[in-house]
Amino acid sequence: NAGVTQTPKFRILKIGQSMTLQCTQDMNHNYMYWYRQDPGMGLKLIYYSVGAGITDKGEVPNGYNVSRSTTEDFPLRLELAAPSQTSVYFCASILTGVANYGYTFGSGTRLTVV
Amino acid sequence: DQQVKQNSPSLSVQEGRISILNCDYTNSMFDYFLWYKKYPAEGPTFLISISSIKDKNEDGRFTVFLNKSAKHLSLHIVPSQPGDSAVYFCAASPGVGYKLIFGSGTRLLVRP
Repeated sequence: NAGVTQTPKFRILKIGQSMTLQCTQDMNHNYMYWYRQDPGMGLKLIYYSVGAGITDKGEVPNGYNVSRSTTEDFPLRLELAAPSQTSVYFCASILTGVANYGYTFGSGTRLTVV
Repeated sequence: DQQVKQNSPSLSVQEGRISILNCDYTNSMFDYFLWYKKYPAEGPTFLISISSIKDKNEDGRFTVFLNKSAKHLSLHIVPSQPGDSAVYFCAASPGVGYKLIFGSGTRLLVRP
């Protein structure tokens, strides 16, 4: 049981490049989330999805896009990378209706834009 | 506009003593609160939660207290162990499964 798997773990991008951060979960969770964590800050919600085919913006969606074609996968797309997107990105999931357990997080992708 | 605030960026305690981590929130719609623990180079892991119908929830060495009138919650770790050294995030939500709003975290160091 792998939980939430994120790839890659590290990446360096040049300004203006694009990339996709991959996230997959094998727990049949319906809700999935993308957060970013900047140094000394809490986690900020970028996008989330309540099920396949449904996505919505969080607190800091600008510069990102997502899709949810399957229950398992929730990729995050960065178009035209900017230094302000240097951060650690976490994907998380939860099965709604199951109280008390919180999200399951992936181990993160550390992205540097230079 | 921070809806969830952890005003102490760091805390240092002696092994065996109590660690108290604090969290304040501003949104009265929040009714579900969670604590996460994060080690370096890992994702946050769920620690303990509490809903607004309770004022206390215990799980082993960890206890969370909720004071709704003060919009304040705290995490008590007794006794503290060196392995508890990590960053602790407080998070709040208007309901289970909804978006979580996180505080900025408190780095706990438990000294042997």
